[in-house]
Amino acid sequence: GDSVTQMEGPVTLSEEAFLTINCTYTATGYPSLFWYVQYPGEGLQLLLKATKADDKGSNKGFEATYRKETTSFHLEKGSVQVSDSAVYFCALSIRSGGSYIPTFGRGTSLIVHP
Amino acid sequence: DSGVTQTPKHLITATGQRVTLRCSPRSGDLSVYWYQQSLDQGLQFLIQYYNGEERAKGNILERFSAQQFPDLHSELNLSSLELGDSALYFCASSVKVMNTEAFFGQGTRLTVV
Repeated sequence: GDSVTQMEGPVTLSEEAFLTINCTYTATGYPSLFWYVQYPGEGLQLLLKATKADDKGSNKGFEATYRKETTSFHLEKGSVQVSDSAVYFCALSIRSGGSYIPTFGRGTSLIVHP
Repeated sequence: DSGVTQTPKHLITATGQRVTLRCSPRSGDLSVYWYQQSLDQGLQFLIQYYNGEERAKGNILERFSAQQFPDLHSELNLSSLELGDSALYFCASSVKVMNTEAFFGQGTRLTVV
């Protein structure tokens, strides 16, 4: 069935380092793809999204490109900050009957040191 | 602030008891989803309602049930609680049931002792 797989964490980086968090998906159709972020003690919030192949989603310096040929949606940021420390979730909407269900990877914890 | 409100924020209860978690979706959102987040299982989809009707079911136990009321708020009822039900329970809402993003509440942390 449709699913997402993302790299396990934690990912530990120094401030201003380059970030990549890998995400690959399995889907029968062409779902929209999402990255969500969860800060400590909070709910998930949408970071960025892409709705079709070759789309690039971007927000707050984070980017991800919907790659149909490699079924990937890797999250990148050129220079991370301590405030980026959080758990990042890759997600897609999986069709279930007449509805679409946001379905999440296991999450990748990012720790950024000063 | 996502606009999704969940109450209570924390709940501690004993095994065998029953609790009700409440969710108010964003203004205008008709679709409500419930998720369970635990360390070993990640974020698991439980159930979805749209405009008062159940639309999809995930890995929801028979001891759990939910409903969405005419004012669109939703409640998740958990009964015969077990230690393993301790988790964060999130509600999320979206405008429609199609291929779109969801907006999450801050969650209810349930501890069963």
